[in-house]
Amino acid sequence: QVQLVESGGGVVQPGKSLRLSCAASGFTFLSYAMHWVRLGPGKGPEWVGVISHDGTTKYADSVEGRFTISRDNSKNTLYLQLNSLRPEDTAIYYCARDPAHNYVSPSWFDPWGQGTPVTVSS
Amino acid sequence: EIVLTQSPATLSLSPGERATLSCRASQSLTNYLAWYQQKPGQAPRLLIYDTSNRATGIPARFSGSGSGTDFTLTISSLEPEDFAVYYCQQRRSWPLTFGGGTKVDIK
Repeated sequence: QVQLVESGGGVVQPGKSLRLSCAASGFTFLSYAMHWVRLGPGKGPEWVGVISHDGTTKYADSVEGRFTISRDNSKNTLYLQLNSLRPEDTAIYYCARDPAHNYVSPSWFDPWGQGTPVTVSS
Repeated sequence: EIVLTQSPATLSLSPGERATLSCRASQSLTNYLAWYQQKPGQAPRLLIYDTSNRATGIPARFSGSGSGTDFTLTISSLEPEDFAVYYCQQRRSWPLTFGGGTKVDIK
């Protein structure tokens, strides 16, 4: 079955960096665009960014220039590099598949991984 | 940015009752609205996409309706496993945005 498993979360000080990974299985990874979405405490979900099958990216304004999405299709793995972290970046980070497109296009998310928590605190 | 406002914030109902959840958009979405369910400790699950299309494996008691700026998720008869938080999400334009959620809890 389709499965997405995130890893790499943790507690980090403001201004530091972290890299999250999302291991995909059960589907042809290179045929789909992939998203990152986060869910902060007491908030609704927030879309972070998307990467197309061949590496085109688009980001939310709140993370543009600080976060970078990449993928390794040979390893069926999605990445999120988080730099210059701020306390407001504290959230559970989910990877999610774009079920309809392999290119960057507004879409919905299905399925989602279980998430990995990131806490930014001094 | 399109803002989505969900109401009510909390809906207290009993199993077997009908649940009606609302999502209002700050501008027209045509029909580009999705609904998700999230239970504690679990990932969000897609229920409905493009207003009224049920995702794979979603029971028929879940239905979506609406157009323009006003949308509704209806659960025709609540099962014990339906008590959860529900989010709407628009794909009309970038950035993709979500509502703040409606919690359906047991009365």
